[in-house]
Amino acid sequence: GQNIDQPTEMTATEGAIVQINCTYQTSGFNGLFWYQQHAGEAPTFLSYNVLDGLEEKGRFSSFLSRSKGYSYLLLKELQMKDSASYLCAVSQGGFKTIFGAGTRLFVKA
Amino acid sequence: DGGITQSPKYLFRKEGQNVTLSCEQNLNHDAMYWYRQDPGQGLRLIYYSQIVNDFQKGDIAEGYSVSREKKESFPLTVTSAQKNPTAFYLCASSIGGNNQPQHFGDGTRLSIL
Repeated sequence: GQNIDQPTEMTATEGAIVQINCTYQTSGFNGLFWYQQHAGEAPTFLSYNVLDGLEEKGRFSSFLSRSKGYSYLLLKELQMKDSASYLCAVSQGGFKTIFGAGTRLFVKA
Repeated sequence: DGGITQSPKYLFRKEGQNVTLSCEQNLNHDAMYWYRQDPGQGLRLIYYSQIVNDFQKGDIAEGYSVSREKKESFPLTVTSAQKNPTAFYLCASSIGGNNQPQHFGDGTRLSIL
């Protein structure tokens, strides 16, 4: 079967670092996306990994290990506005992408 | 500003009624998608279109229909055959497939009266 697993919820403190993990088992793999979604709003693109390793983009970094079917999103210097859901998504090739259920992150003062 | 516009933001459907959700993009993207988002579940693909006048069923197409007569527009009709239509519907577009990120609209929340 096809599966993407991520924790349902996480809580972290403003200014801290948080790591959101994602494991996947899919029938095809053409890259992994992370999206941010505030409640009731559109998901917005954060990062894309297709090769193993770390991609850094400002306060956000994303890591991929294809052999382990594993990725994580690292958020540094957390701000209150980072409170949102973070969606892990695997491109299967063609035009199909499988989305995880998302991890709701709560940032507290 | 380029983007994707979905309307309406909230929609109510009576039993036995068909309703149409609008999605318009001015990003000049070839590919467009419709997803359904339910609490505790990932986005599920309803239909997608790679190019004008072409569309393909996604994983949960039953009870839905689409058209792609113009590059900019990809409306979704929720028919009376869809027995559990209450959900948050998201439209997206991308330059192509594979490794291209998708740009999403703000969604339409559909409820049953």
